[in-house]
Amino acid sequence: RKEVEQDPGPFNVPEGATVAFNCTYSNSASQSFFWYRQDCRKEPKLLMSVYSSGNEDGRFTAQLNRASQYISLLIRDSKLSDSATYLCVVNTRDNFNKFYFGSGTKLNVKP
Amino acid sequence: DVKVTQSSRYLVKRTGEKVFLECVQDMDHENMFWYRQDPGLGLRLIYFSYDVKMKEKGDIPEGYSVSREKKERFSLILESASTNQTSMYLCASSLGFGTAANEKLFFGSGTQLSVL
Repeated sequence: RKEVEQDPGPFNVPEGATVAFNCTYSNSASQSFFWYRQDCRKEPKLLMSVYSSGNEDGRFTAQLNRASQYISLLIRDSKLSDSATYLCVVNTRDNFNKFYFGSGTKLNVKP
Repeated sequence: DVKVTQSSRYLVKRTGEKVFLECVQDMDHENMFWYRQDPGLGLRLIYFSYDVKMKEKGDIPEGYSVSREKKERFSLILESASTNQTSMYLCASSLGFGTAANEKLFFGSGTQLSVL
C-alpha cells in the first residue's frame, strides 16, 4: 500500500468552477502535511501547508482530517493558471523525516 | 527567496558511465534531498543529508551514492549509469525539522537524465 494516495485525475473543469482534491495517507503518526503545485516539466513548488485547524490562502483552502487520515484542497473560482498537477506531501517526522509524496492530481481548467 | 541550483537541465549519458549531478542551495539549509520522478510513480527519495558529511538512504538508493562535503552542496553520483536510471532528478533543501515552516521543501529545476 502506498504511503500517500491521490486520484490522478485529470480533473477537467471550466473557469470559475470550484474543485476539490483529496489525498489519503496510511501512517497515523504523520505530523506535517503540505500541498505542492507542479507545472508541466517544472519543479514542485509549495502551495500551502495544511494545519489541523484548516487554513485558507485566497481561493485555496486546505483541510486535515486526522481521524480519517486524509487531507483536502479546495480551489474556488478556478483560473486557467491553476492548471497544474497538485502533489500531496506527508511527513511522519520519524525515520529521519522522510517526506512521502502522492503521485499527483492533474487539474485542467478550460476557458 | 531560496535558490536551489542544479548544474544541468538536460544530460545524456551512455550506459556504464559515471555521472555526477550537482546541487547547490544558497540559504544555509540543514537538509538536502535527492529525488527522482517518473510518470505514475511520483517523487521517490534516493538519499538525503541533514548535515555536512551525513547521509541517509532513502527508498531507492541502489545504484546511487551521494556526497556532502560542504553545507551548500549535495552531489548525486551514479556509479555506473544504466538505462533504468533515465529519469527526472530533483534536488531539494529545507531549513530543518520539527515544524511545518522548517520542513518546507525548495526544489531545484531538475535534471532530465537520459541514459542510452
